[in-house]
Amino acid sequence: NAGVMQNPRHLVRRRGQEARLRCSPMKGHSHVYWYRQLPEEGLKFMVYLQKENIIDESGMPKERFSAEFPKEGPSILRIQQVVRGDSAAYFCASSPPIGVEQYFGPGTRLTVT
Amino acid sequence: AQTVTQSQPEMSVQEAETVTLSCTYDTSENNYYLFWYKQPPSRQMILVIRQEAYKQQNATENRFSVNFQKAAKSFSLKISDSQLGDTAMYFCAFIFNAGGTSYGKLTFGQGTILTVHP
Repeated sequence: NAGVMQNPRHLVRRRGQEARLRCSPMKGHSHVYWYRQLPEEGLKFMVYLQKENIIDESGMPKERFSAEFPKEGPSILRIQQVVRGDSAAYFCASSPPIGVEQYFGPGTRLTVT
Repeated sequence: AQTVTQSQPEMSVQEAETVTLSCTYDTSENNYYLFWYKQPPSRQMILVIRQEAYKQQNATENRFSVNFQKAAKSFSLKISDSQLGDTAMYFCAFIFNAGGTSYGKLTFGQGTILTVHP
C-alpha cells in the first residue's frame, strides 16, 4: 500500500504566480488534511476535506488560498498570487473513514522568489 | 481552543543515554489523543508513539515511552538508549473527537530539536 503522495516535492514560483500542490491519499483513505510549516516552526493546520466536501477550513487564510478534494483525483491546494510569506513546507496527511491516526506525505517545499 | 507547548527548543544527549522531552497542553476536552512525531532532516513526519486520554497506562514503543499526567496536562517522551538516528525535530501533537468517528485537525507544539552525539 503506497503511502501518501505529494507532488511536486519542490516548487519555485515568482511573486504573483499561482502555486498548485497535489496530494494523493493512501488507498482507502477518504479524509485529507493540509498543514503548513514555516521555517523553524511547528505544523499549523490549514484545512480538512472529505471527498467533495470541506469539513473544516478554520486554518486557511481568507484570501488567495483554496483547497479541493474531488470525487476523482488528488486533493489540490491552490495559492493564487503568491507572496514571499507563502514560502514554506506544505504537508498533506490522510486518514481512513474510521480512525484517529493521520499519515503524512513527504511535503512540498514552496519557494517564492 | 487547544494549545500545545514544548518549552525546550533544543536538547542534546550522548549516544546510549536517556533523554526526556517535555510537552504540556491545554484543553477542556475529555476524549482526546496525544502523539509524538519525529521529523528527521528528510522532513518526513514519522509517528513515534500515541496515547489515548482515557487510558491510565503509559504507552511504550520499544525504546520510546511516555509519561502521561492527565491532571497536570503533561505528556513527556522518554527515549532510552539513544541512537544517532534519533537526531531529529520532535513534535508533540493533540487531537480530540468532536463527535462521530472522525477526529479533525492535529494541533502541534513548536518542536524540540534533539541532537544525539556519538
